[in-house]
Amino acid sequence: GIQVEQSPPDLILQEGANSTLRCNFSDSVNNLQWFHQNPWGQLINLFYIPSGTKQNGRLSATTVATERYSLLYISSSQTTDSGVYFCALSPTSGTYKYIFGTGTRLKVLA
Amino acid sequence: GAGVSQTPSNKVTEKGKYVELRCDPISGHTALYWYRQSLGQGPEFLIYFQGTGAADDSGLPNDRFFAVRPEGSVSTLKIQRTERGDSAVYLCASSLTPADYGYTFGSGTRLTVV
Repeated sequence: GIQVEQSPPDLILQEGANSTLRCNFSDSVNNLQWFHQNPWGQLINLFYIPSGTKQNGRLSATTVATERYSLLYISSSQTTDSGVYFCALSPTSGTYKYIFGTGTRLKVLA
Repeated sequence: GAGVSQTPSNKVTEKGKYVELRCDPISGHTALYWYRQSLGQGPEFLIYFQGTGAADDSGLPNDRFFAVRPEGSVSTLKIQRTERGDSAVYLCASSLTPADYGYTFGSGTRLTVV
């Protein structure tokens, strides 16, 4: 089956710093999403981005499907950005189940 | 409701017992998904409902796991003869339609089998 690798596995930032999180996948994908899981366990959908670039405030994401990777950019990080970031993808058209990566654990220090 | 509600938030049960986990999706959402998350891992797909029917149950690990959604709203995940390896956080998500990729997740039920 398709493999989803995220890097780095752990990241510590000082508040205000920028960061780039990467998601590599081993096969073509039909759908791709980025999620943030906060320290209390709540999963929040950030982007649906099977290709191209999207921005939402301090966050932006880019997926280059032909090269099988997606990037999540966090600018001017805040302590509330702490948690685990997951990319999740659905490899086959017509299926709505997602395969999640192992995540990047981010801690932003005040 | 305003969000996806899962009950109970925590459940401790003895090995071999039967448990039911409940998910109440956002009103009007036709698609409902169950995932399981073990410590330090990403969520793992279990089953997906479109309306009342299970459209894809390929993620259920074995026949001890079963899920229903009889009226197309509330769903119950049922686990028989629980094992210690079933301990995990069980997450439910819903979306307006299957093609609506804006999943809304509930807060999960943390199941501990002792």
